[in-house]
Amino acid sequence: GESVGLHLPTLSVQEGDNSIINCAYSNSASDYFIWYKQESGKGPQFIIDIRSNMDKRQGQRVTVLLNKTVKHLSLQIAATQPGDSAVYFCAENNGNTGKLIFGQGTTLQVKP
Amino acid sequence: DTEVTQTPKHLVMGMTNKKSLKCEQHMGHRAMYWYKQKAKKPPELMFVYSYEKLSINESVPSRFSPECPNSSLLNLHLHALQPEDSALYLCASSQQPGTGYGYTFGSGTRLTVV
Repeated sequence: GESVGLHLPTLSVQEGDNSIINCAYSNSASDYFIWYKQESGKGPQFIIDIRSNMDKRQGQRVTVLLNKTVKHLSLQIAATQPGDSAVYFCAENNGNTGKLIFGQGTTLQVKP
Repeated sequence: DTEVTQTPKHLVMGMTNKKSLKCEQHMGHRAMYWYKQKAKKPPELMFVYSYEKLSINESVPSRFSPECPNSSLLNLHLHALQPEDSALYLCASSQQPGTGYGYTFGSGTRLTVV
């Protein structure tokens, strides 16, 4: 079936470094993608989104890149801080059904 | 108001109990969702409501019964649950069914079945 996956279950970075979290998706018809951050005991929190007619979108300290040719999505976090420690999920919107398909998640650990 | 509010935050129930989870949003969103999330796993879709009508049931057991009284409220009625149903139950909403835009999650209800 269709799925969205992440390449690494855990990513450990030094405080102040840049982080890159990757995601592969399989449905070439998907037109909208979202990155979520989930801290322990909380619901997923929206970070940034991107539509399929774009290949890059920037927010505050975060950038999402979309490569439709290889069906790859990435989240870049600049100057990673301890407060960025969480599980990060990419999600793919199935436009026909409204279902949001999640990747397996990457745990980001920030070392002081 | 840009939030999805879920109550209660924590719930412990016995296998013979009946309880309900509640979800509320005032963003004018016309699609609402229930997800189940086990530890260290991504959220799994259970139900989708589009314009207050159930549009997707992901083969969820009948001991889970959703209800959408109006465009702002979503309930999940629980009866005769099993210990394996213990999980974080998340409610979400989005602007319109199908687009995914504005997809917002609540903080969840941590359910423990004993």
